[in-house]
Amino acid sequence: NAGVTQTPKFQVLKTGQSMTLQCAQDMNHNSMYWYRQDPGMGLRLIYYSASEGTTDKGEVPNGYNVSRLNKREFSLRLESAAPSQTSVYFCASSELRGGTQYFGPGTRLLVL
Amino acid sequence: AQSVTQPDIHITVSEGASLELRCNYSYGATPYLFWYVQSPGQGLQLLLKYFSGDTLVQGIKGFEAEFKRSQSSFNLRKPSVHWSDAAEYFCAVSPNAGGTSYGKLTFGQGTILTVHP
Repeated sequence: NAGVTQTPKFQVLKTGQSMTLQCAQDMNHNSMYWYRQDPGMGLRLIYYSASEGTTDKGEVPNGYNVSRLNKREFSLRLESAAPSQTSVYFCASSELRGGTQYFGPGTRLLVL
Repeated sequence: AQSVTQPDIHITVSEGASLELRCNYSYGATPYLFWYVQSPGQGLQLLLKYFSGDTLVQGIKGFEAEFKRSQSSFNLRKPSVHWSDAAEYFCAVSPNAGGTSYGKLTFGQGTILTVHP
């Protein structure tokens, strides 16, 4: 079991470019989440998907979109990257909404 | 809205000393409570969790945490710290019932632990 995997591990973008962060889990979990981590602010929820076919906004959704492609995969898209989106992005999954969340290794994104 | 406060941004202890990391939360009812650890450049690993029942919870790596409802606290403890415990520690809460916030984790700001030999 790989658990939660994320690609890429590291990415540099120029302002205005777009990109998609990929996340996949092999634990047959129903719920998946995207967080961003900034120094001194802990992790903040961007979007989550309680179950396949549903998505909902978290605390900081502006500038992001998500797609729950199937039960395994949950992608995060930046349509027009801004320097304020420089951060470390973590994907997580849980068996059910409200259950223990398991985290991927993260994607470090630098927007110039 | 729920919130989590970790009052100590940075704690330094000597190897072998005891450790207590503080966590206070604000929520209308008893939430689900978690402690995660993050080593540099790594993802988050679950140390322990409290859902209900015994208020003293045992976790991995010799850590334990005690839920105190009267103080809205969930402090993490370890009797004897090892150099490998140096990392950043996050307390998190999640509502324990239905509603729009159910399942959403709210994290504290984190506490960086440095261990001196």
